[in-house]
Amino acid sequence: KQEVTQIPAALSVPEGENLVLNCSFTDSAIYNLQWFRQDPGKGLTSLLLIQSSQREQTSGRLNASLDKSSGRSTLYIAASQPGDSATYLCAVIKGGGNKLTFGTGTQLKVEL
Amino acid sequence: DTEVTQTPKHLVMGMTNKKSLKCEQHMGHRAMYWYKQKAKKPPELMFVYSYEKLSINESVPSRFSPECPNSSLLNLHLHALQPEDSALYLCASSQDNRGVGYTFGSGTRLTVV
Repeated sequence: KQEVTQIPAALSVPEGENLVLNCSFTDSAIYNLQWFRQDPGKGLTSLLLIQSSQREQTSGRLNASLDKSSGRSTLYIAASQPGDSATYLCAVIKGGGNKLTFGTGTQLKVEL
Repeated sequence: DTEVTQTPKHLVMGMTNKKSLKCEQHMGHRAMYWYKQKAKKPPELMFVYSYEKLSINESVPSRFSPECPNSSLLNLHLHALQPEDSALYLCASSQDNRGVGYTFGSGTRLTVV
């Protein structure tokens, strides 16, 4: 059974800092990995999708990397802003399937 | 249109009530999903419809009954729920059954009293 873990569970940083969120998964037979953002009580917004054949994806201040063999992904956020405050979830899809298995989430707070 | 629309946004129901959650997308996606999210937990898959056919039921109790009337609509019928079923119910869609282009709705916050 795929298990997805995120570290840290919570993170508080001052505005402007660069930060790294970590995601690890136990079964490397994945089709892709996605990073989502969730604001309190809201739905999920897709941030980045990395196919299993790719090593990284970038969008604006966000960069996500994938090391499938070691079962790890990182989300790098540059120059953090208070508007980045949210819960960040990574999720994997197993090859041949379409079920998202989510990580435990990192609750981020960026303070002024 | 790049959205998944869910109605209602909030729902309070008694344990003897029957209600339905609705989900709609017009992106031409052929797979649609129901996820359940308890407070401070990640979403968990409930059902998957691929090309309007139920392809995955994650051992969900029969008091939850999904329905896919057409490729744009997905319903979740609720009957005789328990207070522990209170959660955020998220609908999602993807281009096909490989999960490409996953898009989530904003969810229905369900409270069972």
